[in-house]
Amino acid sequence: DAGVTQSPTHLIKTRGQQVTLRCSPKSGHDTVSWYQQALGQGPQFIFQYYEEEERQRGNFPDRFSGHQFPNYSSELNVNALLLGDSALYLCASSLGPYSNQPQHFGDGTRLSIL
Amino acid sequence: SQQGEEDPQALSIQEGENATMNCSYKTSINNLQWYRQNSGRGLVHLILIRSNEREKHSGRLRVTLDTSKKSSSLLITASRAADTASYFCAMPGTALIFGKGTTLSVSS
Repeated sequence: DAGVTQSPTHLIKTRGQQVTLRCSPKSGHDTVSWYQQALGQGPQFIFQYYEEEERQRGNFPDRFSGHQFPNYSSELNVNALLLGDSALYLCASSLGPYSNQPQHFGDGTRLSIL
Repeated sequence: SQQGEEDPQALSIQEGENATMNCSYKTSINNLQWYRQNSGRGLVHLILIRSNEREKHSGRLRVTLDTSKKSSSLLITASRAADTASYFCAMPGTALIFGKGTTLSVSS
């Protein structure tokens, strides 16, 4: 039973570039949430996708956008990258868009902005 | 905001000792969750305690919840080097909101 998988594991970009991160949820899960985790901090909620729509959004600018596909996989896109976007980006999946459900996390994509 | 606050920020103990971490929060909740994160890895769900529960056990883990004090604690008994990790409490709101975590170091 595959867990949550994310790709790539590491990525280096320069300021102003655009990036796309990918996530496949745990088998049987239909909801994907994205988090940004800066070094030494807890994960910060970016947004959640369910039924191919953005259902909830945290306090992130619209440079951060996403998509969910019919197979429940998801992408996170970040445009006009800033140095402050350097972080570990975590994808979590669950069954249903309810925040009181346990989340299953992937190992993340480490994004470094030069 | 509903973000929890873990205490202490860092904890260093010897193998075999018990480790206790605390989490305080601001508004009422229907459950509270604890997660573990090994260095450079994703978070792993440890335990969920509902607002009508006072204590819950899972193996060497014991979680308590005091809704009157808006606080929870995670106790790890007989710690092992493999327990070295960061531990986060999380509360459901519009999304799952995490605290800043407690970094536990267990030395052999």
